[in-house]
Amino acid sequence: KQEVTQIPAALSVPEGENLVLNCSFTDSAIYNLQWFRQDPGKGLTSLLLIQSSQREQTSGRLNASLDKSSGRSTLYIAASQPGDSATYLCAVRPVRNFNKFYFGSGTKLNVKP
Amino acid sequence: GAGVSQSPRYKVAKRGQDVALRCDPISGHVSLFWYQQALGQGPEFLTYFQNEAQLDKSGLPSDRFFAERPEGSVSTLKIQRTQQEDSAVYLCASSWEGLAESYNEQFFGPGTRLTVL
Repeated sequence: KQEVTQIPAALSVPEGENLVLNCSFTDSAIYNLQWFRQDPGKGLTSLLLIQSSQREQTSGRLNASLDKSSGRSTLYIAASQPGDSATYLCAVRPVRNFNKFYFGSGTKLNVKP
Repeated sequence: GAGVSQSPRYKVAKRGQDVALRCDPISGHVSLFWYQQALGQGPEFLTYFQNEAQLDKSGLPSDRFFAERPEGSVSTLKIQRTQQEDSAVYLCASSWEGLAESYNEQFFGPGTRLTVL
């Protein structure tokens, strides 16, 4: 069974810092990996989708990388802002159970003004 | 609609009651997923539909859980004889699913928070 781990579980940084969130998965046979943010009491908002053939994706201040062979992805947030405060989740779509996505438990980010 | 919608947003049920949770996916999306999210955890897969066909229900925790999507659009997740351990947020997601890789992106609804007393 695919296991997805996110470290750290919580992170608090001052505004303006660049930061990295980590996601690791045990089975490298994945179709894609998706990063989401979740605000309290809300659903998930898609941030970036990386296909297995890609190494990274960028959107604004966000950059996600994928190293499939080592089972790792990182989400880089540049020049963090208080509005970035949320829980960040990664999800992998395995090749074998194609329609069964596996999520990590998330990293709760607090950006202090 | 503009996005995935779910109703009700909040549901309080007494133990033993039946509940029905509704999901309206993005129009034209082929795939629909249901997830259960416990407090402080990531979503856990429950079931998957491709159009009206339920292709995977391996994540449903017991036979008290039942999902349907009879016309390939709106879906309902039904929980019979609710128990306290069913208290969670139930999330619905949809995706287009096509040849273009970007069509596999999942879009989530706001969720239904179920509290069983």
